[in-house]
Amino acid sequence: SQQGEEDPQALSIQEGENATMNCSYKTSINNLQWYRQNSGRGLVHLILIRSNEREKHSGRLRVTLDTSKKSSSLLITASRAADTASYFCATDDSGGGADGLTFGKGTHLIIQP
Amino acid sequence: EAGVAQSPRYKIIEKRQSVAFWCNPISGHATLYWYQQILGQGPKLLIQFQNNGVVDDSQLPKDRFSAERLKGVDSTLKIQPAKLEDSAVYLCASSPVDTQYFGPGTRLTVL
Repeated sequence: SQQGEEDPQALSIQEGENATMNCSYKTSINNLQWYRQNSGRGLVHLILIRSNEREKHSGRLRVTLDTSKKSSSLLITASRAADTASYFCATDDSGGGADGLTFGKGTHLIIQP
Repeated sequence: EAGVAQSPRYKIIEKRQSVAFWCNPISGHATLYWYQQILGQGPKLLIQFQNNGVVDDSQLPKDRFSAERLKGVDSTLKIQPAKLEDSAVYLCASSPVDTQYFGPGTRLTVL
């Protein structure tokens, strides 16, 4: 079963605009990660935020985490054509040594020139 | 640093045939994962290894899927016999601690 649900399922914006994607999950987590996937480069790790963190930045990426609402958001600022891809949130929600990720269905982002 | 290697990149078989996928993780990464990604969905964990021991295989269909990681490095995932619904991309990932690094995947088509 899938833990995370990304919203929206698809998003189309103009180059230079900001893109915001949301993720909701169901159970307690250790951390939440965002990945990007396109046909050229496969799944690429973007950012990891731990359950005791509320916000994290990496370049043009900003991730927030609200554990009380079981939700996270990914903001991409000043979008570029190369940002066109599918974005997935993934949660590490297992105890002990098992830390396989549970992925959502993804948000398909299209950046129009 | 070399990434996670997988082969083959593409495989087409008929149902009831068997198939095997190979993964070589990033050097030094103790943890290795196999995921199945069906078209239009996110990856689903099949099995997790820590060195050469299985940590989690709760979502592996054990009647037809098997995996091993001999000597705690390379890993193989096998499907025998394959069904139509096994058509998917099979992704291998490795991790030193938290972040998982994915290989390019093997796209399997079962006819």
